[in-house]
Amino acid sequence: KQEVTQIPAALSVPEGENLVLNCSFTDSAIYNLQWFRQDPGKGLTSLLLIQSSQREQTSGRLNASLDKSSGRSTLYIAASQPGDSATYLCAVRRAQKLVFGQGTRLTINP
Amino acid sequence: DAGITQSPRYKITETGRQVTLMCHQTWSHSYMFWYRQDLGHGLRLIYYSAAADITDKGEVPDGYVVSRSKTENFPLTLESATRSQTSVYFCASSEWWRSSYEQYFGPGTRLTVT
Repeated sequence: KQEVTQIPAALSVPEGENLVLNCSFTDSAIYNLQWFRQDPGKGLTSLLLIQSSQREQTSGRLNASLDKSSGRSTLYIAASQPGDSATYLCAVRRAQKLVFGQGTRLTINP
Repeated sequence: DAGITQSPRYKITETGRQVTLMCHQTWSHSYMFWYRQDLGHGLRLIYYSAAADITDKGEVPDGYVVSRSKTENFPLTLESATRSQTSVYFCASSEWWRSSYEQYFGPGTRLTVT
């Protein structure tokens, strides 16, 4: 059974810092990995999707990497801003099903 | 508006009542999904559908029923609500787009069973 773990569960950093969020998964037979952002009381917004054949994807200040063999992905956020405060979820896909981690709650302090 | 919508956004019901949560998407995506989100468990898949009239169980299907008579709609019914079904429910959809099957989520329905 696929298990997805995100560490740390919560992270608080001052504005302007670069930071890394971690995601690990137990079964490397995945189709892709998706990073989401969730604001309090809101739905999920897709940030980046990495195919299993890719090593990384970039969107603006966000960069996600994937190492399938070691079962790890990282989300790098450059020059963090207070508006980046949210919960970040990673999810791995096999067939049509997504398996989610429990998220990292990120707080950026002005 | 284009996208994926859920209704109602908030619902309070009593134990034993039947309640239906609605999900509608305007993209004509083939796949649709229902998840529940709970503290300590994260997001878990309840049911999904590959096309109209094709549905399959996810991780936590007990106590739920789904149907998909039209591609754009995927209602979730709790036949006899229990307190353990108090949760936030998210609907999602996806399609074979650039080989990704990227999933897009609705805003959620917060359900409280008293």
